Amino acid sequence: EIVMTQSPATLSVSPGERATLSCRASQSVSSSLAWYQQKPGQAPRLLIYDASARPTGIPARFSGSGSGTEFTLTISSLQSDDFAVYYCQQHNNWPLTFGGGTKVETK
Amino acid sequence: EVQLVESGGGLVQPGGSLRLSCGASGFTFDSYWMHWVRQTPGMGLVWVSRVKTDGSIALYADSVKGRFTISRDNAKDTLYLQMNSLRAEDTAVYYCARETALTGYYLDLWGRGTLVTVSS
Repeated sequence: EIVMTQSPATLSVSPGERATLSCRASQSVSSSLAWYQQKPGQAPRLLIYDASARPTGIPARFSGSGSGTEFTLTISSLQSDDFAVYYCQQHNNWPLTFGGGTKVETK
Repeated sequence: EVQLVESGGGLVQPGGSLRLSCGASGFTFDSYWMHWVRQTPGMGLVWVSRVKTDGSIALYADSVKGRFTISRDNAKDTLYLQMNSLRAEDTAVYYCARETALTGYYLDLWGRGTLVTVSS
């Protein structure tokens, strides 16, 4: 099973600032990496797939990069609606596995 | 509206059974593989099971294999998870999720979840 490790666990950012979240895989997952956003009491929402692709409707301020074992989610200018928990997930091997999450909170 | 809505969660004693349902609307349900994923404060998000479009193929996490059964009724646009021999560690919020129609095993639509509590 591939272990996904996210850092930091909590990120304190002011609105308008850039946020950089990291995700590391215990072995290569190629570019098969997705990012999700989750707010309290809500369903997770897909933000990024295949490491850097954005689904229709996801704002351009969200961008993903990386391949192999190291990945990054960048939020270029944090909006009030972006304070949430973010999870990475590898979709290269079974079972699908998720990182432990990064909580982005207001500084 | 494109959505998934889970139901059927609740309090159950260890060793008991529960069946979760997930109703789909706003999309062609029988064109998509479907999944169950659970979430606990301590373990985060954990993939549980996956079922093919026609229900003919199912995959399970080792932790639930032999105890849980995923199924679907495409005529009712509904996904199910039959959970037997429940344990305290099965306590979680259970989400149903849709697998992308594109290449890859990421989940592009999730429900809000239903809480399962296993306790005496």
